[in-house]
Amino acid sequence: DAKTTQPPSMDCAEGRAANLPCNHSTISGNEYVYWYRQIHSQGPQYIIHGLKNNETNEMASLIITEDRKSSTLILPHATLRDTAVYYCIFAGGTSYGKLTFGQGTILTVHP
Amino acid sequence: NAGVTQTPKFRILKIGQSMTLQCTQDMNHNYMYWYRQDPGMGLKLIYYSVGAGITDKGEVPNGYNVSRSTTEDFPLRLELAAPSQTSVYFCASSWGPGQGAGELFFGEGSRLTVL
Repeated sequence: DAKTTQPPSMDCAEGRAANLPCNHSTISGNEYVYWYRQIHSQGPQYIIHGLKNNETNEMASLIITEDRKSSTLILPHATLRDTAVYYCIFAGGTSYGKLTFGQGTILTVHP
Repeated sequence: NAGVTQTPKFRILKIGQSMTLQCTQDMNHNYMYWYRQDPGMGLKLIYYSVGAGITDKGEVPNGYNVSRSTTEDFPLRLELAAPSQTSVYFCASSWGPGQGAGELFFGEGSRLTVL
């Protein structure tokens, strides 16, 4: 099972960048890092994914270290609506099927 | 597209009753998943399927059964409901590796209470 380690909670001021770390030291070469978030009790929502290069989309940026053992999700200008639980997982190739989630990070954005 | 549709959204069961949570997706995804989420906790994988006719156990399969007779549908059966099965159940689907982003699409959840 793919295992990741994330801090249980983080705080961020509205308008500032939120940087959420994830450790995935057992990731294999063909496995991608995926980030999801869950607002209240809704179904989780995909944010971004990457293999080895840094990625950016309209929601966030993903920075993956050169050794690929950790990554950081960046919300450049956090808003109150970004308060959520953020999960990172990794999967790919034959490991893709059994997708398991950790506890995630509870991000609280405050005014 | 409707995406991933789960029914029912809410259900109350008595101990020992059985029921089926329905999940259907209209994206022609090969991979489908069932997760449960207890209050304040993360997602736990119950069962998953990599294609029609193929299912496999996840982290917490005891007390549940699944089938995948079509690409679209992945029902979750609860036999002899117990209070420990009180949870929110999420169904998800994806293309899997090698197609698109491989991201999971989740349903809105089914909230089950066993009394």
